[in-house]
Amino acid sequence: SQQGEEDPQALSIQEGENATMNCSYKTSINNLQWYRQNSGRGLVHLILIRSNEREKHSGRLRVTLDTSKKSSSLLITASRAADTASYFCATARNTGGFKTIFGAGTRLFVKA
Amino acid sequence: DVKVTQSSRYLVKRTGEKVFLECVQDMDHENMFWYRQDPGLGLRLIYFSYDVKMKEKGDIPEGYSVSREKKERFSLILESASTNQTSMYLCASSLNGGETQYFGPGTRLLVL
Repeated sequence: SQQGEEDPQALSIQEGENATMNCSYKTSINNLQWYRQNSGRGLVHLILIRSNEREKHSGRLRVTLDTSKKSSSLLITASRAADTASYFCATARNTGGFKTIFGAGTRLFVKA
Repeated sequence: DVKVTQSSRYLVKRTGEKVFLECVQDMDHENMFWYRQDPGLGLRLIYFSYDVKMKEKGDIPEGYSVSREKKERFSLILESASTNQTSMYLCASSLNGGETQYFGPGTRLLVL
């Protein structure tokens, strides 16, 4: 069962523009994580936001979490060609042991 | 920085062969995970381990087994490789359940 679902599946923007990716999930969570994956590589953790937090920032990244709507967004400001990658959200919930489920990802292409 | 290494970046095996994928982490993490990643399906959890000699099935354990004899090492075993096991395999570790996962670079396995 897929908990986190990203939207859009793919996004193409010009360098300098902002990129927004969304993640929706179905059940209550303890935290939500965003990861980045360059082509053919492993995932790299970007930000973790807990269920009692609404917004977090890290450099050019801004993550919001709306637990009432069961959704999160990742905003990359002033995008660069080097931001081209796939971005995944992952939800973690405690079901008598923690379980983390990854979505299928958003492919971002930033044109120079 | 946490480092997770995987024994091979690329691997080509024949149907029926026994395949070992090794993963080593250097940060004394309790939890280790094996995922496979296929286009459009995101990451699917095969097995995870929360302690030495402990293992738990993930969402798609069929055709796989694992071994964790030492805290830093988590091995994935394909007892008899089949073509439908051609995939990207990703290992990850985390300090605590449901928290940030640190990924290895991945092993791209081709079964002929």
